[in-house]
Formats: sequence, C-alpha cells, structure tokens
Amino acid sequence: QQQVKQSPQSLIVQKGGISIINCAYENTAFDYFPWYQQFPGKGPALLIAIRPDVSEKKEGRFTISFNKSAKQFSLHIMDSQPGDSATYFCAASGNQFYFGTGTSLTVIP
Amino acid sequence: GAVVSQHPSWVICKSGTSVKIECRSLDFQATTMFWYRQFPKQSLMLMATSNEGSKATYEQGVEKDKFLINHASLTLSTLTVTSAHPEDSSFYICSANDRSGGTYEQYFGPGTRLTVT
Repeated sequence: QQQVKQSPQSLIVQKGGISIINCAYENTAFDYFPWYQQFPGKGPALLIAIRPDVSEKKEGRFTISFNKSAKQFSLHIMDSQPGDSATYFCAASGNQFYFGTGTSLTVIP
Repeated sequence: GAVVSQHPSWVICKSGTSVKIECRSLDFQATTMFWYRQFPKQSLMLMATSNEGSKATYEQGVEKDKFLINHASLTLSTLTVTSAHPEDSSFYICSANDRSGGTYEQYFGPGTRLTVT
C-alpha cells in the first residue's frame, strides 16, 4: 500500500505563475512532512517542511498548506521561475520516511 | 543545513567486480543513515537502514549479501555492491538523520552514478 500519493506526475507552468503539487497520506501517526527538490544527477535537497500542528508554513516563494483532517498537504511555488524546474518529492515521516512518486516541474520562460 | 557527502560521484566498473560507495555526514553525527536507489524519472527506493555499530536493516527484496552496508562510525556509512552486474547500474543516494534539537530532518548526499559494463 502506497503510504504517500503525489500528483500531478508532471506540471508545466509559465514563468511568474503558481505551481501547485499535492500529496495525500494514509497514516495518521505521521508527524513530519517535508518537501524535497531534486535536479537531474543530484541528490534531493530539503526545501521546506511542516509539522501537523500548523496549517501553513511559508518560506520565501514556497508555501506548504496542510489539512490534517483530509490527510493532505500541498506545495505552492509562487512566482515560478525557470530555475525552479526540477523534480519535487513530498514525504511523510513517523519512524520511517515515505516518499511520494515525484512531480516533474517545468517552468516555461 | 547539515551536509552529507558521497564518494565517488560516479563510477564505471566491469561486470563481476565490487564497488564501494562512501557516505559521510560532515557537520553532524548520524546514528542512522539510509541508502536509496533511484531509477531514471522514478522516486527513491529505500534499500536499507544503517545504524552505527549494528547490522543494517534491509528492505524486502534487497539482497544483503550483494549490497553490503557498514556503518563503522557516527559520520561514515559505506555501501559495497559486490559482484556487480549491468542491472545494478543505477543512481545510489545516501541520507542521514540529524536528530539534534529534536528535529527529524533527513539530509541527502549528492548521489553516486554507478555504471556496470
């Protein structure tokens, strides 16, 4: 059973637009929800993370929205830039990390 | 943030030989390190969890005799791919938990591209 479901698989956004990636999780015991950004040929880098006691966390152009009752969380990238083009992974963690399947984001100039 | 390094960044080896990949936490102590495998355009697949001073815990389907993991110190874990075959060609990524301050951050290394010819 897939613990974390991520959508969409790929996303194309115009420069300056908003990129939105969604994730849903199964286990209510998860208590840490990070997002990772990965460029081709590189390891994933921690982008932003949230705990379930808050509904939103913002860092610069990146915002996580968290809905505990729906067991969903999403990443919003405001004013998307071509340099944001990468693969994004959500994850959920309790004693172990579970990763989503990834979203390939392309920002068109 | 915490830094995790991997060495080598890429390696080409002949079929039947063994390859060792090192994973180091540079500015923190990691009691737990993880080894992942990633195929092109796919998510990370956890291979094993490595705990300092004890045997690694392998995920179902991962051959522990083929993928030898040693976590000899709080800053170093190694993955040895024994008797490598072309199907072992992949991108191998390690990560380490930094639990200082009560957080759960997991930091990833830059990855190692293994090509077996």
